[in-house]
Amino acid sequence: KAGVTQTPRYLIKTRGQQVTLSCSPISGHRSVSWYQQTPGQGLQFLFEYFSETQRNKGNFPGRFSGRQFSNSRSEMNVSTLELGDSALYLCASSTGLAFAYEQYFGPGTRLTVT
Amino acid sequence: GQQVMQIPQYQHVQEGEDFTTYCNSSTTLSNIQWYKQRPGGHPVFLIQLVKSGEVKKQKRLTFQFGEAKKNSSLHITATQTTDVGTYFCAGRFSGAGSYQLTFGKGTKLSVIP
Repeated sequence: KAGVTQTPRYLIKTRGQQVTLSCSPISGHRSVSWYQQTPGQGLQFLFEYFSETQRNKGNFPGRFSGRQFSNSRSEMNVSTLELGDSALYLCASSTGLAFAYEQYFGPGTRLTVT
Repeated sequence: GQQVMQIPQYQHVQEGEDFTTYCNSSTTLSNIQWYKQRPGGHPVFLIQLVKSGEVKKQKRLTFQFGEAKKNSSLHITATQTTDVGTYFCAGRFSGAGSYQLTFGKGTKLSVIP
């Protein structure tokens, strides 16, 4: 079974731009969660989608948004990028809601904002 | 907001020594998950604990969930260089009205051969 894939793997953007990251979950998994990982803050939850609906949302500003498609693939968008948005963005998929099921993480997208 | 505190932040051990990381919450957790992230890698699920006082073992790893469901620990017996990485706990707060996981900041384990 193929694992979770994320594209692109690396991205360099300029402050003020916007970016879209993509995540393809493991086949059959209906939940996709997104996390921001930085050395100082660790793993911070962004949001979780299940069957195309946002089920949970972390404490991030409205510049961070996401969506899930009918095939469970998910995208997250960050508008008006700030230097502090530089981080590793991880997505994880699970068969059910993440809090109750094993999550499988993708390799992440390394975003650098200059 | 509610947090899951994880200690220690760093641990250096000689190969063969034991290692323990602790996860503490001020609020009751409905369940707790543990993950391991190797350097340069992504988190990998280790285990989930649900019941009060639950103890689970995976070879040299022992996981415990406290009686009050406010703390958890991961103990590794006789560490090996393959144990190097950051260990994260993640819990869901009971009665929070949401179903999201909150991660601890992790314990980074270094094993000196």
